[in-house]
Amino acid sequence: EVQLVESGGGLVQPGGSLRLSCAASGFTVSSNYMSWVRQAPGKGLEWVSVIYSGGSTYYADSVKGRFTISRDNSKNTLYLQMNSLRAEDTAVYYCARDGDYFDLWGRGTLVTVSS
Amino acid sequence: VIWMTQSPSLLSASTGDRVTISCRMSQGISSYLAWYQQKPGKAPELLIYAASTLQSGVPSRFSGSGSGTDFTLTISCLQSEDFATYYCQQYYSFPWTFGQGTKVEIK
Repeated sequence: EVQLVESGGGLVQPGGSLRLSCAASGFTVSSNYMSWVRQAPGKGLEWVSVIYSGGSTYYADSVKGRFTISRDNSKNTLYLQMNSLRAEDTAVYYCARDGDYFDLWGRGTLVTVSS
Repeated sequence: VIWMTQSPSLLSASTGDRVTISCRMSQGISSYLAWYQQKPGKAPELLIYAASTLQSGVPSRFSGSGSGTDFTLTISCLQSEDFATYYCQQYYSFPWTFGQGTKVEIK
């Protein structure tokens, strides 16, 4: 079955760090563009970051310099390292297969930044 | 950054109605537009890409049209399972951006 499963969310204090994981099955992460998209509680969707099959990465201005997207080809897994977290980073984080539009989404993992 | 204005933000309709949702861009994006449906507590699902191409498995009552700056999602005959929030997304230039969403609720 083709699917994405996120993990790693939780409660973290402002200024803290968290690493999200997204395990893929049924297709190869390294052969695809892969993105993270987030959704603050009760709000709309915000694209966060993408990693291209060639390894190039891009970020939204709101997370540039704080978040790092990466992948482990041997584990077929996508990651999002989040540092210097702020209250406004509180959201459900989805990983998605990115063919410029997002044709496959995970169920999401909730990140709450609060003291 | 390409800004998107999606309207209406809330749409009240009845089963069987024909509904349309609009998405207007701050600049032309050719046909690089997708539409998604999201139900409460669930991830978004792709409905349409390239402005008018139906994703595999999506019912034919959904259709998309437009190019340049003005786009429309139409549901020809609203079904109970269609009550949800709908988002447009442009992929013409980084950063990818989404519309604010349109919630379709039962009238």
